[in-house]
Amino acid sequence: GENVEQHPSTLSVQEGDSAVIKCTYSDSASNYFPWYKQELGKRPQLIIDIRSNVGEKKDQRIAVTLNKTAKHFSLHITETQPEDSAVYFCAASMTAGNKLTFGGGTRVLVKP
Amino acid sequence: GAVVSQHPSRVICKSGTSVKIECRSLDFQATTMFWYRQFPKQSLMLMATSNEGSKATYEQGVEKDKFLINHASLTLSTLTVTSAHPEDSSFYICSARGGPSPNEQFFGPGTRLTVL
Repeated sequence: GENVEQHPSTLSVQEGDSAVIKCTYSDSASNYFPWYKQELGKRPQLIIDIRSNVGEKKDQRIAVTLNKTAKHFSLHITETQPEDSAVYFCAASMTAGNKLTFGGGTRVLVKP
Repeated sequence: GAVVSQHPSRVICKSGTSVKIECRSLDFQATTMFWYRQFPKQSLMLMATSNEGSKATYEQGVEKDKFLINHASLTLSTLTVTSAHPEDSSFYICSARGGPSPNEQFFGPGTRLTVL
């Protein structure tokens, strides 16, 4: 089955700096890669996703890149703010809406 | 739109008892619901996929007789943890697919189960 590795497990950045989280996946049949933000004790919230026919997608301060050949994808957060502090999970799926395999999570702390 | 609720939000039970957790899609019909388990400071692990009117598909290593899943309607799926033990203590989260974005999973708020 699919295996998703996520790095780093923790990330501390200064407010205003950029944060980058990287994920690799094992199953070349995966075609859908969402990113979720989860605050303590809360539900995961989809923040951005990318499909395999696209190499990059951007939404305001958040961007995701995908290298299907290398089987890795990354989340980039620019101009970080304290409210960006949370745990971020990458995930992979065969298609959007199907079962997700999650990475281990990255705890991001943005210091004011 | 696309709101998913879970009940209860928190439950404490004695070892050996059974606990039922409900997952409801409040404003859309969910053809598929997923059940995840999350240990403290860890990732979400898929337990099973549930389609309305049919048997759930369990992931490898998940005991189907211990974690009973019923998806009786397009808006309700239930997870029953039978004969719960302390090692079953965890955060259980459901997600539902459907509604305005049929290819997106909408997550419930989770249920924290503590087995004494």
